[in-house]
Amino acid sequence: AQRVTQPEKLLSVFKGAPVELKCNYSYSGSPELFWYVQYSRQRLQLLLRHISRESIKGFTADLNKGETSFHLKKPFAQEEDSAMYYCALSGSSNTGKLIFGQGTTLQVKP
Amino acid sequence: EPEVTQTPSHQVTQMGQEVILRCVPISNHLYFYWYRQILGQKVEFLVSFYNNEISEKSEIFDDQFSVERPDGSNFTLKIRSTKLEDSAMYFCASSAESQGSGRAFFGQGTRLTVV
Repeated sequence: AQRVTQPEKLLSVFKGAPVELKCNYSYSGSPELFWYVQYSRQRLQLLLRHISRESIKGFTADLNKGETSFHLKKPFAQEEDSAMYYCALSGSSNTGKLIFGQGTTLQVKP
Repeated sequence: EPEVTQTPSHQVTQMGQEVILRCVPISNHLYFYWYRQILGQKVEFLVSFYNNEISEKSEIFDDQFSVERPDGSNFTLKIRSTKLEDSAMYFCASSAESQGSGRAFFGQGTRLTVV
């Protein structure tokens, strides 16, 4: 079964501290993985996709097929990073369906 | 940047009534989706739509649900005979590509409350 697990519902850090939002997946094929973010009162938006190997707003995520993980990292958290973060997997079909994790609320304290 | 627009932002309906949730996807996108999020739970896939037909649907998307793209711009989700458990936030999304480098753009959501 295809599944995405985000073990932490809430992650609270101080400004300037490193951040790691965990994501593990279950998928038999070659996964397409994404991080979506939802800031307060805003819509869900794409933050990162693993195939781009990009860094957005200082965040990076590396796909580790051995550990079936796609953790999101940032070396120095900023208050404006406070948001809900969702890890998502594109399913085995060619339809673009996304399978989401439960989401992690990141709270960056001043 | 172009946006996906959903109306209404909040809909309250009585159990057993029909509701239609409306979405205007981004104009040059070809792939359309509905997701829902029950309060406190994860975002769940309902249905994908491409080339004027359903390309995939989840177990949740039973005969109570239907989708339509009536006029080339709107994309609607109809829920017949609503139940209390249909109360959720419903998100529409569209994409220019199906997956891989594809990027899904989400609407702001419609909060459906069934009373």
